[in-house]
Amino acid sequence: AQSVTQLDSQVPVFEEAPVELRCNYSSSVSVYLFWYVQYPNQGLQLLLKYLSGSTLVKGINGFEAEFNKSQTSFHLRKPSVHISDTAEYFCAVSEPFGGNTPLVFGKGTRLSVIA
Amino acid sequence: DAGVIQSPRHEVTEMGQEVTLRCKPISGHNSLFWYRQTMMRGLELLIYFNNNVPIDDSGMPEDRFSAKMPNASFSTLKIQPSEPRDSAVYFCATQPGTWAGNTIYFGEGSWLTVV
Repeated sequence: AQSVTQLDSQVPVFEEAPVELRCNYSSSVSVYLFWYVQYPNQGLQLLLKYLSGSTLVKGINGFEAEFNKSQTSFHLRKPSVHISDTAEYFCAVSEPFGGNTPLVFGKGTRLSVIA
Repeated sequence: DAGVIQSPRHEVTEMGQEVTLRCKPISGHNSLFWYRQTMMRGLELLIYFNNNVPIDDSGMPEDRFSAKMPNASFSTLKIQPSEPRDSAVYFCATQPGTWAGNTIYFGEGSWLTVV
């Protein structure tokens, strides 16, 4: 069975500083990896996803993530954050084989950007 | 595209009452998921459907919970009788096709408070 661990429940960072949100997964098979963002009082929306190919994935709003198979990680990064990036970020995993398998989410990391 | 539409957005009900949450998926999406979000447990998958057929309901917490998808345009999640511990945000999400790499689109959630 798959699982996702987001190592930090809260990350405060000053505006225009870089940020990294950490995600590790466990799975006995190949995986697809996702980052979703949830703004206050809203549903989740996709930031980026890794399916195959280049291990560096670029997403919306200047975010990127790097898939590291040996370390089973998929950390999310942004070189310079804005106040508007304040939100909850979820890492998720699914299996590419055996048809449709639902996403398994981590518990989320709350990013707070400080002016 | 109107996105995934959930109703009601907010509901406050008394313990023991029946609660029905509704979801209209994005047109053409074949898979539908119901998730529950709480501070303690994060995002939990309750049940999902492919082409209107329930595939896995192992996440449904108790017999008090039931879900239906009578057609491709509508799904309900029912709690009867409701209890205070059911207080949470319930998300409906849909996905085009049944390939695990497809993006899942979330509704804005139904915020349930049981008093």
